[in-house]
Amino acid sequence: GAGVSQTPSNKVTEKGKYVELRCDPISGHTALYWYRQSLGQGPEFLIYFQGTGAADDSGLPNDRFFAVRPEGSVSTLKIQRTERGDSAVYLCASSLEGQITDTQYFGPGTRLTVL
Amino acid sequence: AQSVTQLDSHVSVSEGTPVLLRCNYSSSYSPSLFWYVQHPNKGLQLLLKYTSAATLVKGINGFEAEFKKSETSFHLTKPSAHMSDAAEYFCVVSDSWGKLQFGAGTQVVVTP
Repeated sequence: GAGVSQTPSNKVTEKGKYVELRCDPISGHTALYWYRQSLGQGPEFLIYFQGTGAADDSGLPNDRFFAVRPEGSVSTLKIQRTERGDSAVYLCASSLEGQITDTQYFGPGTRLTVL
Repeated sequence: AQSVTQLDSHVSVSEGTPVLLRCNYSSSYSPSLFWYVQHPNKGLQLLLKYTSAATLVKGINGFEAEFKKSETSFHLTKPSAHMSDAAEYFCVVSDSWGKLQFGAGTQVVVTP
C-alpha cells in the first residue's frame, strides 16, 4: 500500500517568509509525528498528534512553529518568519496507534532551505 | 528520560567481513529499541525492533541485534557486509507516547 508522503520534496525560501509543509500519513494510522533532521545529525522530535489533537508539542523550538491535523489524517507544519537556522530536512512519520511498541513509518522528507 | 548513545560515528569495513555498530541506552523503564537505516537521499527504513520479547532480534537484510539489560546495550551486527550496506544507521529508543529519541548516527563505509 501507499506509504507516508510529504510535499514538497524541496522548498527554498527567503528569510522572513512563511512556509507550509504537508504530510500524508498511511491510511488508518492515528498517530502522526514530525521530526527535524539537521545536516550530520539524527532526527529530533518536534510534535506528536493522536487523531486531531497535538498530544505532545514539546519539541517545537519556538512559537514560529505550528502544526495542525484538522481531520485526523493530513498534517501541515507551518513556519512563520523563517530563519536561516530553520534549514533542515523535515520528516513526518505515522504509526498505527502511537504505542511504545508501534513501528513508525517515515516519509521521504521535505528539504527546507532558507536563504 | 530516555536516550541512546552510539559509540562510533564512523565504521569502515571490507566487503564480506562482519559489521558491529554499538549502541548504549538509558531508560527509566523497559524500553522499546529500534535500529533504522538511512541511505543517501532516501527515507528512514526500519531494520529491526526490540519490544521486550526475545532479546535476540532478527531484522531485514541479515542484520540482528541483542538486547542486554545488564549492559544497557543494543548492538547491531551482520556477519558479512555487502556494498549495499553503506549508509547511516541510527539507534533509537521510544518513550511512552511512541516519541522516538535518535542517536547521533553511525556512518558505515564498505570497501571492496
